[in-house]
Amino acid sequence: KAGVTQTPRYLIKTRGQQVTLSCSPISGHRSVSWYQQTPGQGLQFLFEYFSETQRNKGNFPGRFSGRQFSNSRSEMNVSTLELGDSALYLCASSQDLAGGPQLAKNIQYFGAGTRLSVL
Amino acid sequence: AQSVTQPDIHITVSEGASLELRCNYSYGATPYLFWYVQSPGQGLQLLLKYFSGDTLVQGIKGFEAEFKRSQSSFNLRKPSVHWSDAAEYFCAVVGLQGAQKLVFGQGTRLTINP
Repeated sequence: KAGVTQTPRYLIKTRGQQVTLSCSPISGHRSVSWYQQTPGQGLQFLFEYFSETQRNKGNFPGRFSGRQFSNSRSEMNVSTLELGDSALYLCASSQDLAGGPQLAKNIQYFGAGTRLSVL
Repeated sequence: AQSVTQPDIHITVSEGASLELRCNYSYGATPYLFWYVQSPGQGLQLLLKYFSGDTLVQGIKGFEAEFKRSQSSFNLRKPSVHWSDAAEYFCAVVGLQGAQKLVFGQGTRLTINP
């Protein structure tokens, strides 16, 4: 099975622009989560999508948004880019085997990430 | 709220030596715990996980971890490291509420001396 695929791998933007990152989950996985990784803040949860609906959200401003398509592929968008948005953005997918507390047992598999540089 | 602390930012060990990376978590109940490894320029690879049961869990690449409830710890160990183990290691926790939200520690960078 192919792993989680993120495109593009590298991206350079300027302040004020917007950017869209793409994530294709492992085949059969229905949940997609996004994380931001920076040297200062480490790995932080952005949001999670399941069945085209945002199921969980982290503490990020509204400039960060996402969506999920019917084939489980997901995109995240950052509008009005700031210098501080420079980061590695990681996508993870999981099978979502069951709901409730068992949901937490779904292992998340990560892609290689998209490195965003904002100049 | 859950939190994870990895007290060691950077550890250097010699090839062939044993390794222990520390992880402490804060959570009201028994958490689900994970160790991930990240090589430069790469994503995260799952090394092992703890959900319940036997407190000593085995993972890939010869790693193991022990869950100690009394110490709120989930330390990662390897009896003999290889140069290819040089990477950054992250401990993570997810709550039992069912959210798919991993909370990560700050990571420990492992350097291997030849």
